[in-house]
Amino acid sequence: AQSVTQLGSHVSVSEGALVLLRCNYSSSVPPYLFWYVQYPNQGLQLLLKYTSAATLVKGINGFEAEFKKSETSFHLTKPSAHMSDAAEYFCAVSAGAAGNKLTFGGGTRVLVKP
Amino acid sequence: NAGVTQTPKFQVLKTGQSMTLQCAQDMNHNSMYWYRQDPGMGLRLIYYSASEGTTDKGEVPNGYNVSRLNKREFSLRLESAAPSQTSVYFCASSRSDLEQGYWTDTQYFGPGTRLTVL
Repeated sequence: AQSVTQLGSHVSVSEGALVLLRCNYSSSVPPYLFWYVQYPNQGLQLLLKYTSAATLVKGINGFEAEFKKSETSFHLTKPSAHMSDAAEYFCAVSAGAAGNKLTFGGGTRVLVKP
Repeated sequence: NAGVTQTPKFQVLKTGQSMTLQCAQDMNHNSMYWYRQDPGMGLRLIYYSASEGTTDKGEVPNGYNVSRLNKREFSLRLESAAPSQTSVYFCASSRSDLEQGYWTDTQYFGPGTRLTVL
């Protein structure tokens, strides 16, 4: 069984400030981890994924995430927030590769203040 | 490539009515999925199809049926809609790729169908 917990359903950051979104997971097998972003009235778009190749993963739009097995965490960061980063972000886990189901966290909505 | 397409975009039903949500992908992906999104709960898997001709239940299958019509199309049917099925429904597809020595399976999502059951 797998589960994902995202701490904070809403995060407010100032433009230019650090964005930090927290994700903790539980999995009975080595996990594959994903971050997706959802802009208003749109589907989900992949930001980045961890598949055991490297613990620090770089994604699109300047985002990156670090896999920490000892902390069962996969937090998402961006050094400098931009107004266009306002969206909802979802962390997800799957138990493996082929045809696998994703288990999502509840999501974190990011508000960027000018 | 259109990617994953869903129809309709919006739908309002009365309790007890039936309808089918359509999903199609043009990426030649083997696996397809149906999720529902509710506030504060993220996305929850309803049904998935690992390949053409197979379907399996996800986390919340009650009240739904699916059909994998062919490799491209995966439909979701509500036989007797209930207010609890008011939600945004997303279809996704995926294909397994070997990347840096690891098999990885990335899901691509459609734009969603917003369903209201009165």
